[in-house]
Parts: sequence; C-alpha cells; structure tokens
Amino acid sequence: AQKITQTQPGMFVQEKEAVTLDCTYDTSDQSYGLFWYKQPSSGEMIFLIYQGSYDEQNATEGRYSLNFQKARKSANLVISASQLGDSAMYFCAMSLYNAGGTSYGKLTFGQGTILTVHP
Amino acid sequence: ETGVTQTPRHLVMGMTNKKSLKCEQHLGHNAMYWYKQSAKKPLELMFVYSLEERVENNSVPSRFSPECPNSSHLFLHLHTLQPEDSALYLCASSQDGFSYNSPLHFGNGTRLTVT
Repeated sequence: AQKITQTQPGMFVQEKEAVTLDCTYDTSDQSYGLFWYKQPSSGEMIFLIYQGSYDEQNATEGRYSLNFQKARKSANLVISASQLGDSAMYFCAMSLYNAGGTSYGKLTFGQGTILTVHP
Repeated sequence: ETGVTQTPRHLVMGMTNKKSLKCEQHLGHNAMYWYKQSAKKPLELMFVYSLEERVENNSVPSRFSPECPNSSHLFLHLHTLQPEDSALYLCASSQDGFSYNSPLHFGNGTRLTVT
C-alpha cells in the first residue's frame, strides 16, 4: 500500500525567505503522480504543483518548485520569496497508475504541514 | 461562477436528522469526488463518480448516500449520523477519473457537526 509522510507538523519562515516542506512517499509502483495542495483556514484545497514519476525535470509553478528525488522517494516543496498569504496547511499527495490505467482520484494524502510566515 | 462550489459551508445536525450536502462544479470536468477530512487524520476518499457512474465506494457506512444526477452536480445525503462523523467534507472534481496526472480541484468544504 502507498503511504505519504510529512514529518514537519509546523514550519516557520520569515517573509521574503525561501522554505522547504518535506514529503517522502512509499510505493512499489513505477508509475505515479505527486501533488502538493495548500489549504488556508477557509478550508479550500488549492492545487499547487504536480510531478510525474517519469518526469526528468523538477516541476516549477511560479514561486513553487518541487525537489523530486526519485531514488530517495522524496518530493519536497520549495516556496521561494514567502508571502504572508502563504500561511496555510500544506499537503503532499500521491496517485497511482494501476494495472487498468486508472487511478479514480485515489489521492493518498500526508498528515500536512502548517506553515506560518512571519512579517 | 467558477471552480467548485459547496453548500452549505456549515451544518449542525442531530443524530436523527436527514440533511444533504451539495456540490457543483463549473469546470467541465467528468469526475467528481467526496473526501472526508477529520481532525488529525489524513484526507479520506469516500466516493468517486466518473461520467455520473459511481466507480468507487471506499467502505463508507450506508448512512452516507451519494447522488450524481449529472456531471456538474454531486450530493451527499446524510441520515442517522454519529458524532464521530463530524468533519470537513470536501467535494472535488477532475478532468477525468482515469488519469493519474489529473489534479483534483476542491471546493471550500462543508463543516459538519453532529450533536
């Protein structure tokens, strides 16, 4: 069975600095996708970035980048130039490509990391 | 309107009540989902609909009953709930339910409290 581990319950960062949120995953599948979501206090889960297991380059989306180390099974999220609005819960999640070619939205989520950005 | 909209935002109900949660997506997606988010637990997938057909029922008790009348609307009918069912219920949609690289787009959730 697949598992996502986020070892940092909480992180603090100064405004305008960069921060790395850790995520490790465990799966025996070769084909999978890794996602990061942001959940502000409003409750909505906001999709940030995606990395496929066969993607050779690390994914980037604006201030977000994913440090993908396949051999170590880690997919850390890097947020550059932190802003006060980045304060939220961040979730790492994984989907698998099963034998039938479907994943049916079976995202496995980690426990989350609460990020607090200080002015 | 854009994105995924859930109503109500908050719901308090007794254990003998019957209520329904509503979700509507304006993204033209073909798959819709219900997730449950309890305190101190990872998000749990409850139901998946792809092209209005239920394709996944993740061992959810029968007191939760989903309905998907079309690809834009999803309901979760609730009856005789237990206090441990209190949680944030999140609806999501994706382009399809068949691609492992298709991100889910979530609504704001319904905060449910069972008294």
